Amino acid sequence: GAGVSQSPSNKVTEKGKDVELRCDPISGHTALYWYRQSLGQGLEFLIYFQGNSAPDKSGLPSDRFSAERTGGSVSTLTIQRTQQEDSAVYLCASSLAVNIQYFGAGTRLSVL
Amino acid sequence: GESVGLHLPTLSVQEGDNSIINCAYSNSASDYFIWYKQESGKGPQFIIDIRSNMDKRQGQRVTVLLNKTVKHLSLQIAATQPGDSAVYFCAENSGGSNYKLTFGKGTLLTVNP
Repeated sequence: GAGVSQSPSNKVTEKGKDVELRCDPISGHTALYWYRQSLGQGLEFLIYFQGNSAPDKSGLPSDRFSAERTGGSVSTLTIQRTQQEDSAVYLCASSLAVNIQYFGAGTRLSVL
Repeated sequence: GESVGLHLPTLSVQEGDNSIINCAYSNSASDYFIWYKQESGKGPQFIIDIRSNMDKRQGQRVTVLLNKTVKHLSLQIAATQPGDSAVYFCAENSGGSNYKLTFGKGTLLTVNP
């Protein structure tokens, strides 16, 4: 596709449920990133995939959060046993060899 | 500047004026910097970047200035338009093969017609 695609655009879930958020990066981009953005805040780094290297998971806030990247392309961010504090916009970005990251429109997660 | 809690630094300008958005970065080893624009309900959009071997770079209506001595970055927008209203983020990269960016808190720019 022309840009980074994220789905769903909005997700409402109940506390305790698991959710999966999907990211389709720009074709050919080797690096993929997940960020979390709370209301009125900056971007909080979660996890970073680069090619076939082990992902940098240093930003994941708890073991309820995990992410996979299959075939070096599509990525899924999974949040288990969601909590109300998980409510935020989850942004995905991808990049090529240079440092410019291109962002998707995000998934707005609301945990009731 | 930095934000505290839920309150972003804000800048309000009149249409047609020039805007200057400032950013202080923390890592003296950072060698690459980016400015992003984020409109309501959208993901951040790349505006302009600069490497540490430069102190100024110009784009279309935008200029980025880098002062490594005081670890300060600024974005200048000429002839600001209502469509420039957005939150602006600076981001830094510590270089090498690590592509990770560290983002600032953002500044909300409001352009009054």
